[in-house]
This record gives sequence, C-alpha cells and structure tokens, in this order.
Amino acid sequence: DAGVIQSPRHEVTEMGQEVTLRCKPISGHNSLFWYRQTMMRGLELLIYFNNNVPIDDSGMPEDRFSAKMPNASFSTLKIQPSEPRDSAVYFCASSFRLAGPRGTQYFGPGTRLTVL
Amino acid sequence: GQSLEQPSEVTAVEGAIVQINCTYQTSGFYGLSWYQQHDGGAPTFLSYNALDGLEETGRFSSFLSRSDSYGYLLLQELQMKDSASYFCAVSYNQGGKLIFGQGTELSVKP
Repeated sequence: DAGVIQSPRHEVTEMGQEVTLRCKPISGHNSLFWYRQTMMRGLELLIYFNNNVPIDDSGMPEDRFSAKMPNASFSTLKIQPSEPRDSAVYFCASSFRLAGPRGTQYFGPGTRLTVL
Repeated sequence: GQSLEQPSEVTAVEGAIVQINCTYQTSGFYGLSWYQQHDGGAPTFLSYNALDGLEETGRFSSFLSRSDSYGYLLLQELQMKDSASYFCAVSYNQGGKLIFGQGTELSVKP
C-alpha cells in the first residue's frame, strides 16, 4: 500500500494567494483528518470526515480555510486568501474507522507551507 | 475542555529505559494513543490503550490508568534511532477526534 499521499510536499506562496493542498487516503479507509503543526501550537486537528461527510470542523481557524472530500479517495484543504501566519506543516491522516485500535490514524508526509 | 500534559524534553543513554508520562483532562475519554515523530517526518502510531493496564509491543510498552487520568510510554533498550518526539493523544466522545499533547523530545546519547 502506498500510504497516505499528499501534494505538494512544499509550497511557497505570497500573502493573498490561494493555496490548495491535496490528500489521497489509504484505500479502504473511511475517515480522513486534516492537521496543522507549528512550533507554537503543536499538532492541531482542523477538520475530519467520515464516509466523505465532514463531522467536525471546529478546528478550522477561520473562514479563509475550507475543506472538501468529493469522494472516498480525495480531499482538499484550501486557504483563500493565505496569510503569513498560515505557514505550517499540514498533515492529512486516514483511518479504517473512527474509534478504537482500528481507528489508528496513518499520517501522510505533510505539506510544508510557507506564506511570504 | 480537553488538555494533556507531558514533559517537553527527556534525555537518556543508549541501552537504558525511559518513561514518558502523560496526564490528561478530558470529558468523555475513550482511549490514549502514542505517536512517534522524527524530525521532518510524519507522526507514526506506536500504541493504544482503552482499558487500564499495560500494552506491550516489542521494546515499547504503554500503560493507562483511567482513574488517575494518567498514562505513560515505556521505551526499553534505547537505541539512537529512538531519538524523536513522542506525542500522547486522547480520543473521546466515542473516538474519532484526537487531541494531541505538545510532545516530548527524546534525545538518546551514546
């Protein structure tokens, strides 16, 4: 299995630009999670989906952030407009189901976003 | 709300045993997970406890006491490659959402 795939791996953009991060979960997993990691705030859950439906988006920092999961094999996290404080590593993770050991989350390699 | 506390740094020597503690405050606790993250890498799953007691996986063990809202990760026969950050994470409300601690940076010295 290829694991969770994220693209791009690195993104450098200028303030005000739109940024789209992409994620392909592990085949057969029905839960998908978007995290953001910074030195100051650690690893924060932004939003998660179960069976392609958003379950909890309370971690999305503000309206500039949006996420979609149009099908079981693809999700996007969009920031529009981007700001320097959005600079972070964004991880996507997937799990077979939500709870218990089978709910173990498998993380992708992350996208390192730098907003100038 | 939910909060977790773990030490920010731990240093140990190769071959030694180290314990990383995690205390949590959360309503609707479901389980405690441990993840390892090497510098520049992704978090990877190590262990999970939903019930009180010890879970052993090779050199790593994890313990949970639900009554004390406390758990720990025990690493034995430390190797240089164990130098990494270790995160405890709590799942609650029947699973799903994970809240991560700030991480413990483990440095293994020769």
